[in-house]
Amino acid sequence: KQEVTQIPAALSVPEGENLVLNCSFTDSAIYNLQWFRQDPGKGLTSLLLIQSSQREQTSGRLNASLDKSSGRSTLYIAASQPGDSATYLCAGPPERSSASKIIFGSGTRLSIRP
Amino acid sequence: NAGVTQTPKFRVLKTGQSMTLLCAQDMNHEYMYWYRQDPGMGLRLIHYSVGEGTTAKGEVPDGYNVSRLKKQNFLLGLESAAPSQTSVYFCASSYRSSGEADTQYFGPGTRLTVL
Repeated sequence: KQEVTQIPAALSVPEGENLVLNCSFTDSAIYNLQWFRQDPGKGLTSLLLIQSSQREQTSGRLNASLDKSSGRSTLYIAASQPGDSATYLCAGPPERSSASKIIFGSGTRLSIRP
Repeated sequence: NAGVTQTPKFRVLKTGQSMTLLCAQDMNHEYMYWYRQDPGMGLRLIHYSVGEGTTAKGEVPDGYNVSRLKKQNFLLGLESAAPSQTSVYFCASSYRSSGEADTQYFGPGTRLTVL
């Protein structure tokens, strides 16, 4: 059964640091991958979507990469700010047209210290 | 454009009671999903719909039923609530299947406690 591991489970860093969050799938078969942000008591907000033909996506200070051969993805956050504090989740389906098979990681809880 | 909305935001039930959670989206999305989120377990798909009038089971469908009578609404029902159904429930929608690389949009969630 496909499982998703996000490392670390929690991370606290001082403001201004660059940081990397990791996401890996036990079964390396992954079609595309999405990174979400979840604020306490809120729903998920999509940050970046890496499509099957892509290796990375960038939005502002965020950069996500996907290595399909190893089933791993990283989310890079540059020049972190206190407003980046949230839980970050990765998710993806193992194959195309798999609405029922999207697997979510349990997330990395990020805290940016002022 | 409200996006995805969910009602109610909070609810406390006693074991055996029933209730319906309502999800509405105004983005004309074909696909809609119901997830539950439990501590340390990430999100798990309960049921989903690929269009008006369709429903399908996800990973954890037992104890839940759904209906998609209108394209913009997706209802999740608990016929006889159990303490194991205490969770935060999220609705999401997307224009196409996530397998075809489309963003899912999430509602704010419903926090349900079953005593």
